[in-house]
Amino acid sequence: QVQLVQSGAEVKKPGASVKVSCKASGYTFTSYYMHWVRQAPGQGLEWMGIINVSGGSTSYAQKFQGRVTMTRDTSTSTVYMELSSLRSEDTALYYCARAPGYCTNGVCYTWFDPWGQGTLVTVSS
Amino acid sequence: DIQMTQSPSSLSASVGDRVTITCRASQSISSYLNWYQQKPGKAPKVLIFAASSLQSGVPSRFSGSGSGTDFTLTISSLQPEDFATYYCHQSYSTPETFGQGTKLEIK
Repeated sequence: QVQLVQSGAEVKKPGASVKVSCKASGYTFTSYYMHWVRQAPGQGLEWMGIINVSGGSTSYAQKFQGRVTMTRDTSTSTVYMELSSLRSEDTALYYCARAPGYCTNGVCYTWFDPWGQGTLVTVSS
Repeated sequence: DIQMTQSPSSLSASVGDRVTITCRASQSISSYLNWYQQKPGKAPKVLIFAASSLQSGVPSRFSGSGSGTDFTLTISSLQPEDFATYYCHQSYSTPETFGQGTKLEIK
């Protein structure tokens, strides 16, 4: 079955960087884009960016520009999200999510399915 | 950025009730609207994509409607396992954005 398995929880100090991995299985890795979404404790969902897993191109939310880097390794079917210059406000659960699509009449819709289990990143001095 | 506004933010209901959650976009997003359910300690799960298409495996008591700026998620007869938080999500343009969530609680 389609599955995304993320790396384990991280504790980082302010100013440090964190790199979260998301290993895909059960489908053709390069056929789907991957997104990253985060959720601060008790809060809603925040989109961070997208990576074209086939070609490697990326698009990031303006809020994270300059601090986030999304990459992929097609040999291991793994995508990575690295966030630098961490601050306490970056404490959150970080999710990867595959983006399937449905096209009709020349219009293509996408959504997130499945999601990884989430990786808790705690930023604390 | 497109702002997504859900209402209500929280809702108390009983098993068997019909429940409707609304989501309004700050500009037209055609039918690029998805609905997710999230239970405590779990990742979100898609219920409805493209405004009204039911994800495979999702019970038929869930339905979605709308286009343009106004959308609804309806649960026709609440079951105990439906008590969760629901989010709408627009995939019309980046940055993709979510509503703030609707927490559905047992009355």
